[in-house]
Amino acid sequence: GAGVSQSPRYKVAKRGQDVALRCDPISGHVSLFWYQQALGQGPEFLTYFQNEAQLDKSGLPSDRFFAERPEGSVSTLKIQRTQQEDSAVYLCASSPGGEFSSPLHFGNGTRLTVT
Amino acid sequence: ILNVEQSPQSLHVQEGDSTNFTCSFPSSNFYALHWYRWETAKSPEALFVMTLNGDEKKKGRISATLNTKEGYSYLYIKGSQPEDSATYLCASYSGSARQLTFGSGTQLTVLP
Repeated sequence: GAGVSQSPRYKVAKRGQDVALRCDPISGHVSLFWYQQALGQGPEFLTYFQNEAQLDKSGLPSDRFFAERPEGSVSTLKIQRTQQEDSAVYLCASSPGGEFSSPLHFGNGTRLTVT
Repeated sequence: ILNVEQSPQSLHVQEGDSTNFTCSFPSSNFYALHWYRWETAKSPEALFVMTLNGDEKKKGRISATLNTKEGYSYLYIKGSQPEDSATYLCASYSGSARQLTFGSGTQLTVLP
């Protein structure tokens, strides 16, 4: 069946540009997570949705980062006025329930390079 | 321990060798420990989710153990094959974390 799909796969942005990253989770999955992975590090939590409700956005590094999941399925992570330090792989993951005893299903990620 | 730590950072083994690596995590308020395998150009794939102290799980040649009281988990690979080459990530939901917290991973290279 279809897994988690992220687009674009690669994005190059000039410093100061806005970008939007899309995540299509597995159909019916309640929970959706965004992670940021910098080179040589593990994924760092950004934000978490349960259906359309954003329950935790404590990991968003600044007010330039914004995420939404308006209908409880597709999610968009928006980064305004991109900076070089935003260069990273952005991973989206979904899981069927709202607890952490179920594994996360990850997409292939979007590699963002800010020049 | 306050964060999730993995060791070693990288590892090279010969085909056929058995190997293991460690994940350390906060032992307080433990809820779950996850292991993922992340191959280059692919998405991270779940290997195990473990919740009980003393839990042991196995999937083919790969197995994992969990000690929640001392805050560590081991991942073992028996008879490594080149296709096992990947980054192995662990993540815990424990301590003061409000979300699943990942380690930096162990990058395994199996040489033919």
